[in-house]
Amino acid sequence: DAGVTQSPTHLIKTRGQQVTLRCSPKSGHDTVSWYQQALGQGPQFIFQYYEEEERQRGNFPDRFSGHQFPNYSSELNVNALLLGDSALYLCASSLRAGAAGELFFGEGSRLTVL
Amino acid sequence: KQEVTQIPAALSVPEGENLVLNCSFTDSAIYNLQWFRQDPGKGLTSLLLIQSSQREQTSGRLNASLDKSSGRSTLYIAASQPGDSATYLCAISPGGSARQLTFGSGTQLTVLP
Repeated sequence: DAGVTQSPTHLIKTRGQQVTLRCSPKSGHDTVSWYQQALGQGPQFIFQYYEEEERQRGNFPDRFSGHQFPNYSSELNVNALLLGDSALYLCASSLRAGAAGELFFGEGSRLTVL
Repeated sequence: KQEVTQIPAALSVPEGENLVLNCSFTDSAIYNLQWFRQDPGKGLTSLLLIQSSQREQTSGRLNASLDKSSGRSTLYIAASQPGDSATYLCAISPGGSARQLTFGSGTQLTVLP
């Protein structure tokens, strides 16, 4: 049973550029959430996708956008990169109808903005 | 706004010791609480999930408790091993939303051989 997979694992960008991160949820899961984790901090919720729509959003600017595809996979896009966007970006999947609400995380994509 | 605090930020213990990690939260209206483990530079591994109606959950050498009235949760690790060295994070799902988690900053645990 494949868990949550993310790509790429590492990438380096310069200020002002744009980046796309990808996530495939755990088999059978239909909901994908994205989190940003700065060094030494806990993850911060960015947004959640279900049925190809953004359902919830945390306190992040519009430069952060996403998409969910019919196969439940998801992308996170960040435009006009800032130095402060350097972080580990984590994708989590869950089953929306699941009463427990347990989230499963991928290994993350480490973004460095120079 | 829910705030989650984990104390201590770092902990070092000798192998074999039993230990307790603490998590406190400000809003008792929670859906569930989840404990995670994170190895350096890696993703999060779910350890235990406690529903708001439950008081504790156990898995192997791990036991997590939840006291909503006092806004506290503890993760008890029995007979610690060097392989337990990692950062432990607790996360709260708010009432009505099972999947938007609010995390603490974690406790970095080092178990010395």
